[in-house]
Amino acid sequence: TQLLEQSPQFLSIQEGENLTVYCNSSSVFSSLQWYRQEPGEGPVLLVTVVTGGEVKKLKRLTFQFGDARKDSSLHITAAQTGDTGLYLCAGVAVYAGNMLTFGGGTRLMVKP
Amino acid sequence: GAVVSQHPSRVICKSGTSVKIECRSLDFQATTMFWYRQFPKQSLMLMATSNEGSKATYEQGVEKDKFLINHASLTLSTLTVTSAHPEDSSFYICSASNLRTTLSYEQFFGPGTRLTVL
Repeated sequence: TQLLEQSPQFLSIQEGENLTVYCNSSSVFSSLQWYRQEPGEGPVLLVTVVTGGEVKKLKRLTFQFGDARKDSSLHITAAQTGDTGLYLCAGVAVYAGNMLTFGGGTRLMVKP
Repeated sequence: GAVVSQHPSRVICKSGTSVKIECRSLDFQATTMFWYRQFPKQSLMLMATSNEGSKATYEQGVEKDKFLINHASLTLSTLTVTSAHPEDSSFYICSASNLRTTLSYEQFFGPGTRLTVL
């Protein structure tokens, strides 16, 4: 089983709809990051959360870190076709130094 | 800031040959570099962690004699795939971080290298 369970794996929605991606674990993380990856490119960091209960907003994207620092969510409001891509959560477990563990990824497709 | 480059971006080689991939941190000192492998439609899997001036630490199941990693300076790490075979075809991505900074948990990723072994 993966240390970080990401869901859903695939999501196909219409432009303008809202969506939420979840990242869950039984382990505690000292920090958790969300990345977006385009085909043939490396992941690009969207946000880092480090405090339990923390909420960060990046335009139409809202990121939340669970109070216990075991889970996180990414909410996109009024999705646009440009949001299409692979979204990855990755965390540094408290016992793992600075080693990142990635979730399985969520492949989002936003249709016009 | 925090730009990481990889070279080459794409490489095609014959089975049995060796391929070297370079990862450079362009505007910061990378005390630690990480090498990942990504298969189509899958997430990133950590292969190894390398600290400047010391031997790399490999993840379970990754052959250290096949995937040679060198981190000779604070701005350069190389991954050499030795005696490559078609099953080594994949997208290889490096990342870099600086443990000496307060944001030491942050990793900055390169653009990746697509390796195709014929």
